[in-house]
Parts: sequence; C-alpha cells; structure tokens
Amino acid sequence: DVLMTQTPVSLPVSLGGQVSISCRSSQSLVHSDGNTYLHWYLQKPGQSPQLLIYRVSNRFSGVPDRFSGSGSGTDFTLKISRVEPEDLGVYYCLQSTHFPLTFGSGTKLEIK
Amino acid sequence: QIQLVQSGPELKKPGESVKISCKASGYTFTDYAMHWVKQAPGKGLKWMGWINTYTGKPTYADDFKGRFVFSLEASASTANLQISNLKNEDTATYFCARELGAPFDYWGQGVMVTVSS
Repeated sequence: DVLMTQTPVSLPVSLGGQVSISCRSSQSLVHSDGNTYLHWYLQKPGQSPQLLIYRVSNRFSGVPDRFSGSGSGTDFTLKISRVEPEDLGVYYCLQSTHFPLTFGSGTKLEIK
Repeated sequence: QIQLVQSGPELKKPGESVKISCKASGYTFTDYAMHWVKQAPGKGLKWMGWINTYTGKPTYADDFKGRFVFSLEASASTANLQISNLKNEDTATYFCARELGAPFDYWGQGVMVTVSS
C-alpha cells in the first residue's frame, strides 16, 4: 500500500496567518494516464470531510482562493493563507492513483 | 441539491450484523461511483472500497474482505453497507462518498456504529 506521510501532526496558527501542510507518498502518484491523483480534504469538528483540492492543485467549487495545492511525484503541499476561524479542523491528503486508496494521518489546524 | 443521506446510529452486540444505507438525491445515481470510508473514534480516515453504481460490482480493500458487503437498491438511488459478525473493532463512523473525476466531492453525514456487549 502507498504510505501517505503528513506533517505536521498539529499546526497552531494565528488567525490571519499562513500555514503549509506537507504530504509525502511512499511512491510516485503519477498515474499511467499522466494525471496525479492527490487530493486534500478538511474535516471540521463533528462533520463529514469536505473536498478542498483535487488532482494536486484544482480548487473544488466554492473553495476560497486562500487554499492552494502544489507538488509533484511524491511531495505535495497545501497552503492556507489568511487563516479564518472556519478553516480549523483536521486536514487529510488522499491518493487515488494506486489501489487501495490511502489517506494521510491528518494535520490538526488549531488556534495558537 | 446534491445530498447523500445516511441511516441512523446503530448499537449492536458482537456477532450481530448491521446494514447501513446511503440515499442519494439531486443527481443521476448511476453516473457516480460510491465509496465507503471508515473512521474509528478519534482516528483518521480509512478507505474501505467502492461499488460501481452502474454495474453493481463491488471492490473491497483487503482489510474489508469477508464480512463487509456493498450493495445497491438502484431504483431507490441507495447504496448499502452490510457488516456481519460484528467485532468491537468495527465500532466507528462509516461514511459514503461519491466519486467521478474529483473524488469524494459529496459525503454522507456518517453513521456511528457501536459494537458493545
């Protein structure tokens, strides 16, 4: 299985600040079709996860441009600028290039 | 609007079975695959597998082969997850989520299954 390593585990942030979350995979996430199937989700407390970014850098409908994704191969980053209270929760990366699909272990964004 | 509405919480004893439903609305059910994701209390997300809503063919992750069954009631736009011979470690919230291109763009609200004697 592809191991997805997310860092940090916990990320204290000041409102209005900027943060980055790293997600590294144990093997390349480039699919044979040329696409890279790495996605980002936010799970707010007591809620279902919600899609933020798909295929590395594509913002899902309604996601503010404060969220951006980048990376390639095995190394990916989610950046959040001008952090707002509604951004707090646990962020997960997911790879769907290889079977089985695997999630990162999560990064908890909390107020400093 | 697009919705995935799951059935209510379940309290079961070890060895019993449970069936969870996920009713889709607001889109053509058979156009999107349906996936299942497990979240144990206080833990992260684990992908269980998916079902092709057009053909009905299920695919299971290795850890979910044997006691877990994905099924459909396509006429009711509903996907089901059945777990048999429940164990304490099956205590978790189970989510359904649809997928086409952008994976898991809509999720159900989750069903908490508690297994306790």
